[in-house]
Parts: sequence; structure tokens; C-alpha cells
Amino acid sequence: EIVLTQSPGTLSLSPGERATLSCRASQSVSNGYLAWYQQKPGQAPRLLIYGASSRATGIPDRFSGSGSGTDFTLTISRLEPEDSAMYYCQQSDRSPPWTFGQGTKVEIK
Amino acid sequence: QVQLVQSGTEVKKPGASVKVSCKASGYSFNAYGISWVRQAPGQGLEWMGWISGYNGKTKDPQKFQGRVTMTTDTSTSTAYMELRSLRSDDTAVYYCARHCSNNCLFGMDVWGQGTTVTVSS
Repeated sequence: EIVLTQSPGTLSLSPGERATLSCRASQSVSNGYLAWYQQKPGQAPRLLIYGASSRATGIPDRFSGSGSGTDFTLTISRLEPEDSAMYYCQQSDRSPPWTFGQGTKVEIK
Repeated sequence: QVQLVQSGTEVKKPGASVKVSCKASGYSFNAYGISWVRQAPGQGLEWMGWISGYNGKTKDPQKFQGRVTMTTDTSTSTAYMELRSLRSDDTAVYYCARHCSNNCLFGMDVWGQGTTVTVSS
């Protein structure tokens, strides 16, 4: 089973600042089958990034993903108040289980 | 538009079973699979399994083997997830999500609204 570890647990930043979220895998995630999701309280998750670096439909370009192998990053270039949420990484490598990280909470000051 | 609509809130007693439905519309159901994901109160997301909309093939983690059954009805474009022998720690919001066409590169791109399942005596 691939374990995904996200850091930091909580990120508290001001509007306009840059947020950098990390997702580290216990084994290499093949072909970049790594996705990022945003979840706000009381809502279903929303896909932000797939294939490690491709933005999903309708996602603002201030969200970007990078990385390969075992180290992946989600960057929010200029934080907006509406970016306050939990963020999860998730892998869909060759063999299940397809796991999620434990999440990073982004708070806007 | 592409959407997944799930069945409503359930309250069950320990030891009972629950069956959650997920009706797809706006896309070709047999071109994608459906993953089931749950979220206990105040906790993170947990992947429970996946079923192909094409042939009903399933993948699921060992944790749920024997307690979870995933099925589809292609005539109504509906996926189902049944969880048996419910325990209090099965209390959660259960989501379905569109996942994996001919590969799984594109992530879970469409989500249902969630179904709250409460297990309590």
C-alpha cells in the first residue's frame, strides 16, 4: 500500500501570499497518477489537479501541481479568501488500494 | 450536465446493512468507473473501492473485503455500494465519484453530493 504523507498539517497565510503544500509517497507513484482535491466544510471534494500537474476544468491558474516519483507539490500562487479549505492528495497507481493523504488545512488570516 | 446524485440520509443500528445508490447522468456510464470514498466526522478521506461501469469489475482494499459489495445497473446508470455488519465507526459521509476511464490518470473528476450514514443503537 502506498502511504501518502502531507505537510504541513496547517498553513496559515495572508491573502496574496504563496502557499506550498507537500505530498510525499512511501513508494514511487507511477506515471504521475497523483491528484489534488480541495474540500470546503459541508461540501464534496473538488478535483484541482490530475496527472500531478494538469489543472482540472475550471480551476484558476493560481493553482499548480508539480513533482514526480515520491515527491509532489501543490502551489497556490496568490491566495484568495475563498482558498480557505482542506487539501488532499490522492494516488491511483497500478495496484489498489488507491490512497489519500491525511490532508493540509489552509487558513487565510 | 455531468452529475452524480446519491440517495438520502440513512440511520442504521449496529449489525445492520446499508445500501447507497449513485445515479449518473450527462455522460456515458459504461465509459468510466465509480470510486466510493467515505469521510468520518472530522476525519480525512478514505477510499473504499472502485467498480467499472463497463463490466462490473471491482477493486477494493483488504480492509473492507467481506463487508462491502459494489454493483452497477447499466440500464439506469446507477452504482450501488452495500456495507454490511455496520459498526459505530462506519458512521460517515459516503461519496461516489467518477474515476478511471481507460486509465486512472484523470483523478476523481465528478463527485456525488454525499450520503450521511449514522450507525447508532
